[in-house]
Amino acid sequence: AQTVTQSQPEMSVQEAETVTLSCTYDTSESDYYLFWYKQPPSRQMILVIRQEAYKQQNATENRFSVNFQKAAKSFSLKISDSQLGDAAMYFCAYRYAGGTSYGKLTFGQGTILTVHP
Amino acid sequence: GAVVSQHPSWVICKSGTSVKIECRSLDFQATTMFWYRQFPKQSLMLMATSNEGSKATYEQGVEKDKFLINHASLTLSTLTVTSAHPEDSSFYICSASYFEREAFFGQGTRLTVV
Repeated sequence: AQTVTQSQPEMSVQEAETVTLSCTYDTSESDYYLFWYKQPPSRQMILVIRQEAYKQQNATENRFSVNFQKAAKSFSLKISDSQLGDAAMYFCAYRYAGGTSYGKLTFGQGTILTVHP
Repeated sequence: GAVVSQHPSWVICKSGTSVKIECRSLDFQATTMFWYRQFPKQSLMLMATSNEGSKATYEQGVEKDKFLINHASLTLSTLTVTSAHPEDSSFYICSASYFEREAFFGQGTRLTVV
């Protein structure tokens, strides 16, 4: 069974600085997707970024980028130019690309990010 | 992006009563819907996977008779917490997916059992 581990329960960053959130995963599959979700105080889950395992190029979305190391099974999220609105709980998630349970996600424990003004 | 609406956002019920939570995909037909439970500052725990027209698949440890899931159409899934007790108080989140697209989440429902 696949597992996702986030070893940083809490992180903090100064506004405008850069922060990196860590995630490791374990799977025997070769075709899968990895995601970072943001959950602000409203508790609405928001997709931040998505990475297909077959792509070597790291995904980027504006200030958000990932460092995907497939061999090491590592998937970290870098937030550049941090803003107060980035404060939230961040979840790393895994999804197997095969089978029929489309959208079934395995989540990490989450990292609470605090942004200081 | 696709929109998933969950209702109600917040509900209080008396111990021993049942409460129903709805999850609707507003602008797409969801092949699969998922129900999660989340305790404060913790991760999402998958409770069950729901496919339209078939019985839900429950995760190990989730009581099927307490958490009834119905997926009557491609746009609606419901979670009924039966004979609710204070320990069932939690935040429940649904997500919906179609084919290879990523999952889209509802706003969540905060259930308080008194």
